[in-house]
Amino acid sequence: GAVVSQHPSRVICKSGTSVKIECRSLDFQATTMFWYRQFPKQSLMLMATSNEGSKATYEQGVEKDKFLINHASLTLSTLTVTSAHPEDSSFYICSASLGALSRMNTEAFFGQGTRLTVV
Amino acid sequence: LAKTTQPISMDSYEGQEVNITCSHNNIATNDYITWYQQFPSQGPRFIIQGYKTKVTNEVASLFIPADRKSSTLSLPRVSLSDTAVYYCLVAGSYIPTFGRGTSLIVHP
Repeated sequence: GAVVSQHPSRVICKSGTSVKIECRSLDFQATTMFWYRQFPKQSLMLMATSNEGSKATYEQGVEKDKFLINHASLTLSTLTVTSAHPEDSSFYICSASLGALSRMNTEAFFGQGTRLTVV
Repeated sequence: LAKTTQPISMDSYEGQEVNITCSHNNIATNDYITWYQQFPSQGPRFIIQGYKTKVTNEVASLFIPADRKSSTLSLPRVSLSDTAVYYCLVAGSYIPTFGRGTSLIVHP
């Protein structure tokens, strides 16, 4: 199946610094990618939908200036956590879809996730 | 998006068949049903997808009754490595939105 690669898998950063997480679709072009965060023993929470060549669409309650998303190409989307604080520590996961959102049975593929720890 | 309801947790033993049922009473006509598996500190992995009746692949079967208000993921002969969280998603526009999932623990 299609592969989505996420990097880094783990990162530790100091409070106040920024961290960039990359999400790549390795063998297909993804016009749309999704970013999630997941706290321990909880489900995935959709943060934003990343659209190639346009601004991301953020879910209610997600600060767009805090979580900067760039989708500059059909194979790469990045999430930058700016001025990170300990409460931003979480598991961040990206996904990409093979087809357009208009397709009803489009399968989504997920990256391996990034464990962010802010100290 | 149709809301889904699954059991929070299930326990089973190696070699048994496990059936996880998901309720989605307000599923729309153009919604598909997709199941994902997630291990700790990993991204979800696609298991199976269906629209109606029965779908089978190399790892699981998916049973969907005629009214499509529920679906059952069937895992034949589970092993310890099947211990994971299983998510049922229902979506037509395919913005994958996750419910709470079912934590399956397989015991020796």
